Amino acid sequence: EIVMTQSPATLSVSPGDGATLSCRASQTVSSNLAWYQQKPGQAPRLLIYGASTRATGIPARFSGSGSGTEFTLTISSLQSEDFALYYCQQYNNWPLLTFGGGTKVEIK
Amino acid sequence: EVHLLESGGTLVQPGGSLRLSCAASGFTFTSYAMNWVRQAPGKGLEWVSSISGNSGRSNYADSVKGRFTISRDNSKNTLYLQMNNLRPEDTAVYFCARDGYYFASWGQGTLVTVSS
Repeated sequence: EIVMTQSPATLSVSPGDGATLSCRASQTVSSNLAWYQQKPGQAPRLLIYGASTRATGIPARFSGSGSGTEFTLTISSLQSEDFALYYCQQYNNWPLLTFGGGTKVEIK
Repeated sequence: EVHLLESGGTLVQPGGSLRLSCAASGFTFTSYAMNWVRQAPGKGLEWVSSISGNSGRSNYADSVKGRFTISRDNSKNTLYLQMNNLRPEDTAVYFCARDGYYFASWGQGTLVTVSS
């Protein structure tokens, strides 16, 4: 099983500031990585797939980078609606898909 | 517009059984693999199971293998998860999700609570 580790667990950010979230894989996943946003009581929302491709309707302030074992989700200027939980997920080891433990982005 | 609606979640005793359903609309159901993903209260996401569009292939997480069975009825555009020998650690919101590798469409989830 590929273990996905996200850091930090919690990120405190002021509105308008940028945020950088990290995701590390226990072995290479190439570029087969997705990012999701989840708000309380809601289903996750796909943000990024292929490590860097924004999903349909996702604002340009969200960007993904990385390959192999190290990945980053960057939010360039946080809006109020961006404060949420974020998860990474690898699909290189399909069908055994695994998620990271999540990063909570909270208002500073 | 893609719409996925889960149902069937409830309180069940340890060792009991339950079948979840996910009604799909807004897309050609047979063309897509489908998945179940769960989230224990206050915890992260865990992929549970997947099934190909024609039901020819199904896959399971080790944590549920031998206890859960995924199936689909393409004539009814419905995905199922039969859960047997339930354990307290199976308590979670169960989401159905479309596609095979990453999930662009999700249902709102149904809560399964395993407790005596």
